[in-house]
This record gives sequence, structure tokens and C-alpha cells, in this order.
Amino acid sequence: AQRVTQPEKLLSVFKGAPVELKCNYSYSGSPELFWYVQYSRQRLQLLLRHISRESIKGFTADLNKGETSFHLKKPFAQEEDSAMYYCALRMNSGGSNYKLTFGKGTLLTVNP
Amino acid sequence: GAGVSQSPSNKVTEKGKDVELRCDPISGHTALYWYRQRLGQGLEFLIYFQGNSAPDKSGLPSDRFSAERTGESVSTLTIQRTQQEDSAVYLCASSLPGGVTYEQYFGPGTRLTVT
Repeated sequence: AQRVTQPEKLLSVFKGAPVELKCNYSYSGSPELFWYVQYSRQRLQLLLRHISRESIKGFTADLNKGETSFHLKKPFAQEEDSAMYYCALRMNSGGSNYKLTFGKGTLLTVNP
Repeated sequence: GAGVSQSPSNKVTEKGKDVELRCDPISGHTALYWYRQRLGQGLEFLIYFQGNSAPDKSGLPSDRFSAERTGESVSTLTIQRTQQEDSAVYLCASSLPGGVTYEQYFGPGTRLTVT
């Protein structure tokens, strides 16, 4: 079965410092990976997906199939980046290619 | 336009009572999903609707859980004889047809507390 692991429950950095939120997955097929973000008192929303290869709000994430990782990175963290971040996987094959499997999330705090 | 809405936002119920949670998806979104998030855990898939049909109910934890959808719109998740372990945030999401890489849009969730 597919699994998403976010090893850090909490991550605290100072404003302007680089940040990396780790995500590892296990899935035997070809996955699609996502990062979702939930700001305080807001709903869960999509931040980025690996197939888009975009940089959103300065964040990037590269799918590394060899290491089965999809780490989220930003070179200079801002206070407004403080939020809960969830990594999620969607299977691209088989009959269940609509549901997302989520990690447990990492709470990022960016200190002034 | 309006996003996914859920009601109630909070529900406190006594163990053994039944509860109904409601989800109003984005208009035109034929796919609808229910997830559960227990404290400190990631989102856990419960059920998926395509139109009014639920081809995948595999995530429902027990037969006390059921869901329906009508008019390719509103969905209700019903939990019968609630237990304390049912306490969680229940999230609904909708998207254009499932099975393709359409974004899932999430509602604000219903926080259920079983006392």
C-alpha cells in the first residue's frame, strides 16, 4: 500500500533562512505528488504539484524517484509562510487514482 | 465563486448518538470526497463519489459510517452510534471528474467531538 512520511512534526526557522520540509513516499507505481498548505484559520489548499514544475510563493519541490522523496524548499522563509504543510500522493495507475494519501503534516513556524 | 461549504462547523455529541455532517460542493464538480483527520494525524480517505454513485467506500471505518449524495450536489456523511474514537475533523473536497489530475478543493471541515 502507498504511504507518505513527513518525518518532522514541527519545524522552526528564522525569517530569511532557507527552509526544507521533508516528504518521503512508498509506492510501487508512478505517483503524482502534491504539497497542500493550511494557514491559520483557513482551509486546506493546494500549494503545488510535481507535474506543474512551478514555483509557488517561492516554494519549489522536485520529485526524486530514486530517493522516493518530494521535499519542499524555499530559499528565504517569510513570516507569512508559517502554516501546516501536508505532502500527498495520488496513484497514477490502478482503480484508485482519484484519492489522495496524506502525510501527517509539518507545522512550520517562521520567527521574525 | 463560492467554495466547498460544510455544516455544522462544530458538533458535540454524546456517545451513542447519531450525527449527520453535510457537504455542499462547488457547483459543477461531479467528484466529491470525504476525509477524516484525527488529532495529530494526516487526512484519511473515507469515500469517493462520482456523481451520485460511490464507487469506492473502502475507507469507511465501520458499518456505522454511511454517506450519500443526491442531485450530484449535496452529500451527507452519517455516523451512527458515535464512539469517542470518531472524534475528528471531517473534511469534504470536490473536483471536476475524479481519476484525472484535477485539483481537489477542500471545505473548512466539521469538528466532531464525541463525549
